[in-house]
Amino acid sequence: QKEVEQNSGPLSVPEGAIASLNCTYSDRGSQSFFWYRQYSGKSPELIMFIYSNGDKEDGRFTAQLNKASQYVSLLIRDSQPSDSATYLCAFLRGAGGGNKLTFGTGTQLKVEL
Amino acid sequence: DTEVTQTPKHLVMGMTNKKSLKCEQHMGHRAMYWYKQKAKKPPELMFVYSYEKLSINESVPSRFSPECPNSSLLNLHLHALQPEDSALYLCASSQGRGRNTEAFFGQGTRLTVV
Repeated sequence: QKEVEQNSGPLSVPEGAIASLNCTYSDRGSQSFFWYRQYSGKSPELIMFIYSNGDKEDGRFTAQLNKASQYVSLLIRDSQPSDSATYLCAFLRGAGGGNKLTFGTGTQLKVEL
Repeated sequence: DTEVTQTPKHLVMGMTNKKSLKCEQHMGHRAMYWYKQKAKKPPELMFVYSYEKLSINESVPSRFSPECPNSSLLNLHLHALQPEDSALYLCASSQGRGRNTEAFFGQGTRLTVV
C-alpha cells in the first residue's frame, strides 16, 4: 500500500464550479498534512496545511482532515482557469530525529472555460 | 518572509564535472530538505537535515553529497553524475519539530547532465 494515494486525474471542472481533490494516507503517525499546487516546470507552492480534524478555510480553499478515516481533501470554490495545475498532497511525520515530508503522486486539475 | 532561495536556477554539467547547488532560508526553520523531481512525478525525498545534522538519507548514491554549513544554508555537492540524474532539484524548509509547521519550497534548480 502506498503511503499517500491520490487520483492522478485529470479532473475537469467548469469555471466557477467547486473542485474536490482527495487524498488518503496509511501512516497513522502523520502529524501535518499539506496541499501544494504545482504548475508545469515550476516548484510546489504551498496552498494549505492542516493538522487538526475538521475544516480549515483560506479564501477559496478549504482543507478537510479526518484522521479516523485517514483522509484529507481540498475544496476549491469558484474554480478559475488559473487553478489548472497539479495538486500534490503531502504529509509530515517525525522520523530519524527529524521530519519527513512525503508526497502523493498528484492530481491534475483542469478548469475549463 | 516565506522565501527559500535556490541557486543556480539552471545548471548544465558534464559527467566529469563537480558542481554545487545552494539553498538559503531566513525563516528560522531548523529542518531543511533536498528533493529530486522528474517530469510528471512527485518530488522524491533525498536528504533531511534537522538542527544542522543529517537525519535522513534516502539511500541516495554517494555522487550526491549534502552539506549544512549553518541553520540557514544547505548545499548539495554533485560529482560524476549520470544523464539520468537530470531533474528538478528542490530545496524545502520547515520548523525543526512539531506538527504546527509549514514547509516551503524554493524555485528549484533545473539540472541537465550531458
